[in-house]
Amino acid sequence: AQKITQTQPGMFVQEKEAVTLDCTYDTSDPSYGLFWYKQPSSGEMIFLIYQGSYDQQNATEGRYSLNFQKARKSANLVISASQLGDSAMYFCAMRGGNTGKLIFGQGTTLQVKP
Amino acid sequence: DAGVTQSPTHLIKTRGQHVTLRCSPISGHKSVSWYQQVLGQGPQFIFQYYEKEERGRGNFPDRFSARQFPNYSSELNVNALLLGDSALYLCASSLTGNSPLHFGNGTRLTVT
Repeated sequence: AQKITQTQPGMFVQEKEAVTLDCTYDTSDPSYGLFWYKQPSSGEMIFLIYQGSYDQQNATEGRYSLNFQKARKSANLVISASQLGDSAMYFCAMRGGNTGKLIFGQGTTLQVKP
Repeated sequence: DAGVTQSPTHLIKTRGQHVTLRCSPISGHKSVSWYQQVLGQGPQFIFQYYEKEERGRGNFPDRFSARQFPNYSSELNVNALLLGDSALYLCASSLTGNSPLHFGNGTRLTVT
């Protein structure tokens, strides 16, 4: 069975500093994709970054990067130069095989302090 | 281009009633998925439709049903509402069945 685990219910970071949000996963599929989404209090799920299981390099999108360690089955999100607008809930998700279904973790609430 | 649009944004229903939630995907996206997000938890997969055919179903009772129309918009129907159906219902669209999902703002359903 596929599973996503986010062990940090809440995180604090000082504005302009970097922060790492942890995500571990479990799957028996050789082909899978890992996603990070941001959910502000408004409720919308905003796609941030994607990492495919066969990608050789870690994904980066602007201030977001994904620290993909396949052997450890981890896909941590790194946010550099945190901004106040980064305060939100962050979800790690996985899609396995040929399905379009996403499995989400429990989420991590990030609060950026001025 | 408009993103994924969902209607209504908020809804209050009574136990036993039924509800229909609507979703319009991003133009050109042929796949629509529905997720239920209970407060404090991650979204749970309900359905996926691609090219008007059901491609996946999550672990939800038969009270939940959905369909996708020729214009790729979709409806989620829930019958015989229970208090536990209170949640944020998220619709997502993607270009294909395996492309990244783009979510709408959701419909917040409250069952009293």
